[in-house]
Amino acid sequence: DAGVIQSPRHEVTEMGQEVTLRCKPISGHDYLFWYRQTMMRGLELLIYFNNNVPIDDSGMPEDRFSAKMPNASFSTLKIQPSEPRDSAVYFCASSYRTGGTETQYFGPGTRLLVL
Amino acid sequence: SQKIEQNSEALNIQEGKTATLTCNYTNYSPAYLQWYRQDPGRGPVFLLLIRENEKEKRKERLKVTFDTTLKQSLFHITASQPADSATYLCALYSSASKIIFGSGTRLSIRP
Repeated sequence: DAGVIQSPRHEVTEMGQEVTLRCKPISGHDYLFWYRQTMMRGLELLIYFNNNVPIDDSGMPEDRFSAKMPNASFSTLKIQPSEPRDSAVYFCASSYRTGGTETQYFGPGTRLLVL
Repeated sequence: SQKIEQNSEALNIQEGKTATLTCNYTNYSPAYLQWYRQDPGRGPVFLLLIRENEKEKRKERLKVTFDTTLKQSLFHITASQPADSATYLCALYSSASKIIFGSGTRLSIRP
């Protein structure tokens, strides 16, 4: 398996532009997570899906952020309009639960810089 | 409020020594706890999981302990090597089925 795939790996954009981050989870995993990582705040959970349905989006910072999972093999995180404070590394992770536990498998991340 | 703290931002030790990292939490009753490793420019990678009813788990040179009374987990790397240098994150699973990550400890092993 290729693991969790994220694109693009790097994104530089100007304030006010729309940014779309993409994720392909590991086949067979039924949970998908979006995280944001910064030096100041560490790794923060933004939203997670179970079987393509958003379960908890309480970590989404504001209405400028939205996430979708149209099918089991694809998810997007969109920021519109982007702001410099959105600069961070965004990770997608997927997992499946077995035996009451789960292990998350992370993608390589998208490094976003908003100028 | 719920809180996870990892003992220090950075830890530097001599090769061959045992590295010990600490994860403390408050206001949680985690079903289990995990430790992840993160290398620069990469996503976290799962290392070990320990359940609330387990005291200790081992995997090769790694050992994790879990004390629900002290609300603390210790992560040990014995016979440390420069290749063990990375950031290590603890993660708690709360009853709300959410995973919460600590801020991480950056471990450096000097030859």
